[in-house]
Amino acid sequence: NAGVTQTPKFRILKIGQSMTLQCTQDMNHNYMYWYRQDPGMGLKLIYYSVGAGITDKGEVPNGYNVSRSTTEDFPLRLELAAPSQTSVYFCASSPDRDGGYTFGSGTRLTVV
Amino acid sequence: GQQVMQIPQYQHVQEGEDFTTYCNSSTTLSNIQWYKQRPGGHPVFLIQLVKSGEVKKQKRLTFQFGEAKKNSSLHITATQTTDVGTYFCAGPGYSGAGSYQLTFGKGTKLSVIP
Repeated sequence: NAGVTQTPKFRILKIGQSMTLQCTQDMNHNYMYWYRQDPGMGLKLIYYSVGAGITDKGEVPNGYNVSRSTTEDFPLRLELAAPSQTSVYFCASSPDRDGGYTFGSGTRLTVV
Repeated sequence: GQQVMQIPQYQHVQEGEDFTTYCNSSTTLSNIQWYKQRPGGHPVFLIQLVKSGEVKKQKRLTFQFGEAKKNSSLHITATQTTDVGTYFCAGPGYSGAGSYQLTFGKGTKLSVIP
């Protein structure tokens, strides 16, 4: 099993550009999450989903959008990239609300 | 909202020495989880503790959950270079924004000097 797969692994964006970070999981997990990780700041939740068709905001949702049309996929959209969005983005999934998370390998995004 | 604090932020140890990181939550937790992130890698789930006072061992790693279910610790005996990385604790609860989520501590970065 692949677990949680994220693409791309690296990306450089110019200010104002948009992009979609892809995330897919093959574990049939209902819960999926997007986190960003900044140096020394731990992991901050951007958006999460408890199942197909249901999404909700986390701690730091501004500047991002998500969709969940299938159980497997949970893409994260950046519409107007800003330097403050330079970060490492992790997608994760879990079988239930309190279970352990499986993380993807991350996307390292730089906005210049 | 819920806060999870970890200390120390950094720890440098000589190979073979022991290491401990501590985690404290502002709220009582239903469970606490521990993750390890190698340099340049992604967080990997290590363990989940659920019961008050629970102690679990994984080889040289010992995890404890406090009696009040508000604190936890991870102890590594006789560290090895393979233990290098950042160790995060995380507890589920409601954030200040009202979302139910796993709140992560800022982590303890462990360096092991050979």
